[in-house]
Amino acid sequence: AQKITQTQPGMFVQEKEAVTLDCTYDTSDPSYGLFWYKQPSSGEMIFLIYQGSYDQQNATEGRYSLNFQKARKSANLVISASQLGDSAMYFCAMREGRNAGNMLTFGGGTRLMVKP
Amino acid sequence: DTAVSQTPKYLVTQMGNDKSIKCEQNLGHDTMYWYKQDSKKFLKIMFSYNNKELIINETVPNRFSPKSPDKAHLNLHINSLELGDSAVYFCASSEMTSADNEQFFGPGTRLTVL
Repeated sequence: AQKITQTQPGMFVQEKEAVTLDCTYDTSDPSYGLFWYKQPSSGEMIFLIYQGSYDQQNATEGRYSLNFQKARKSANLVISASQLGDSAMYFCAMREGRNAGNMLTFGGGTRLMVKP
Repeated sequence: DTAVSQTPKYLVTQMGNDKSIKCEQNLGHDTMYWYKQDSKKFLKIMFSYNNKELIINETVPNRFSPKSPDKAHLNLHINSLELGDSAVYFCASSEMTSADNEQFFGPGTRLTVL
């Protein structure tokens, strides 16, 4: 079974509107972390936001927020007030446990396209 | 200041050749990684090193040999390159004991094997 699933290969959003990118995960480890990265067409990986499994509140970073629903094992990324520069690939990733080498397991990504 | 740097950015070579990609981080992190991103954009861990010691090798062919001369450097040497090795290779680093273990990625090296 896939550990990280992103079901939306591509999405369009109108500039200035909000958009939600879906991510579900699968782990039996009680301690894990969830990450979102942005990869623009230039190719670099840009860290956006992090949610720890024990965090009580949903993470927020500027226009990015993470809708963490632990019972559903989902960690959706919400981008408010979309901008043209938000057009990029977005990857959800998970780190399991504290001593598993801290490797990240990535989902397949969602390509977001912001329309003017 | 560049946090995680990789050289070269682009690498084009013939099948059967041996090549190396270098990675350096100036963040003082104790853990470094190599990831491979294939043509479908799928990212997969290859290696993880903590304080110069290998802690993960994710079923990577032994033609790939990472070398960590110190905890700020993790180089990737690839022998007998194959067409399927064509991909973007990302180096990353993090601090093992930090609360979120955010991984900082290098700019990537696009390897094309002809």
